[in-house]
Amino acid sequence: GAVVSQHPSRVICKSGTSVKIECRSLDFQATTMFWYRQFPKKSLMLMATSNEGSKATYEQGVEKDKFLINHASLTLSTLTVTSAHPEDSSFYICSAWPGQGAKTQYFGPGTRLLVL
Amino acid sequence: QKEVEQNSGPLSVPEGAIASLNCTYSDRVSQSFFWYRQYSGKSPELIMSIYSNGDKEDGRFTAQLNKASQYVSLLIRDSQPSDSATYLCAALPQGGSEKLVFGKGTKLTVNP
Repeated sequence: GAVVSQHPSRVICKSGTSVKIECRSLDFQATTMFWYRQFPKKSLMLMATSNEGSKATYEQGVEKDKFLINHASLTLSTLTVTSAHPEDSSFYICSAWPGQGAKTQYFGPGTRLLVL
Repeated sequence: QKEVEQNSGPLSVPEGAIASLNCTYSDRVSQSFFWYRQYSGKSPELIMSIYSNGDKEDGRFTAQLNKASQYVSLLIRDSQPSDSATYLCAALPQGGSEKLVFGKGTKLTVNP
C-alpha cells in the first residue's frame, strides 16, 4: 500500500515553455501533498504544501506564479513550471500524506526536468 | 541549533560491518522520527520510523531514540554494498504539522 506515482518521470523542454508534472496517490486518498525540489548532491527543499480544494501554501522564496500547484482531487496534485528556464532544471519530487491516523508521508519516484 | 542535524559524511564502512548514522534535533521537532534512504537519482524511501524512547529493530536495521539527549540513530548491521546511499533523518514538528523537517543527509558507502 501507500504507492505514489509521478508523471512524467523525465522531461526535456525548451526555455520559455511550461511543464506540468502530475502526482497521484494510487491506493489511498491524500488530504495533503507536498512538492520538493532537489538539485544534484543537495538536500531536499520543500517548495509547497498542497491541500485538496484549497490554495497551496508556498515556502519562503518560492514563486507561486512560477510554480502553479493544483490539488483537484484527493488523489491528484499537479505542479506546473511556467516559463521554464535552465535554472529550473532539477529533480522534482512529490509526497502524499494519507490523512488522519497516518504516521508519515510517502514519496513519488520523482520527475527529472531539464530545460534547454 | 538547526531543527534536524546530521553529519553529512561521507561515512565509509567495510562490507559486513555495522554502520552507525546519527541525528540530533531541536525541541520544535520532537514528536516522531523517520529514517529515509535515498539512492542517487531516486526519491527517498522510508525505512524506519520511531516514536518512543528505546530501540526498534527491523531486520538489519535498528533505530534508537533518546529523547533526553535529543538524538536518534540508525544502525545497519552486516552492511552490504547495496546499502550505499544517502540516509535522511526526518522529524515531525510539535503541534500536529504534517510537514516533515529533514536533515541534510549522511552519505554512506559500503566497500566490498
